[in-house]
Amino acid sequence: DTGVSQNPRHKITKRGQNVTFRCDPISEHNRLYWYRQTLGQGPEFLTYFQNEAQLEKSRLLSDRFSAERPKGSFSTLEIQRTEQGDSAMYLCASSHPGAQETQYFGPGTRLLVL
Amino acid sequence: GQQLNQSPQSMFIQEGEDVSMNCTSSSIFNTWLWYKQDPGEGPVLLIALYKAGELTSNGRLTAQFGITRKDSFLNISASIPSDVGIYFCAGQTSGSRLTFGEGTQLTVNP
Repeated sequence: DTGVSQNPRHKITKRGQNVTFRCDPISEHNRLYWYRQTLGQGPEFLTYFQNEAQLEKSRLLSDRFSAERPKGSFSTLEIQRTEQGDSAMYLCASSHPGAQETQYFGPGTRLLVL
Repeated sequence: GQQLNQSPQSMFIQEGEDVSMNCTSSSIFNTWLWYKQDPGEGPVLLIALYKAGELTSNGRLTAQFGITRKDSFLNISASIPSDVGIYFCAGQTSGSRLTFGEGTQLTVNP
């Protein structure tokens, strides 16, 4: 098992464009989480899935953000009409129900909105 | 959003010295975790604590889950240059979101 993977690792886009990020969790981890991290801060929770069900969404997740996990495996996070304030590192984590839900993180996708 | 109070914000130490950092919260957590993050990478789990009062070691790292369930500390003994990075505490209630501290930036001078 190679751990949580995220693609792309870096994304530069112009304001107003849509972007989509992908996360592949550790196999057999049924929970998948998205966090956002800005410079000098700790990660902040956005949303999480148990299998394909989205169970919780943060108030940080505006209506321009949408996350899916259609088959309960990989997940995508889409940001529509990007704004400069969306520039951040987007982190994905996964956990296994039999391992006390300890979350393991991927390497992140760094987004820069020009 | 809610943040844990993590201190110190930064530390500059000499190789071989011991380091201590801590986190406090106004809320009770069921789990405390400590992660290390290198520039441009995701957080890497160092130690997980699941029980109030628990003291756990991982090599030169030792962490404790406070008895009130509102605090935790991390100690690093005999620091080495590769200990450089940002250390984050995180609290969790029950299998859902993590709440992170703001991080402690550690610099180790050889």
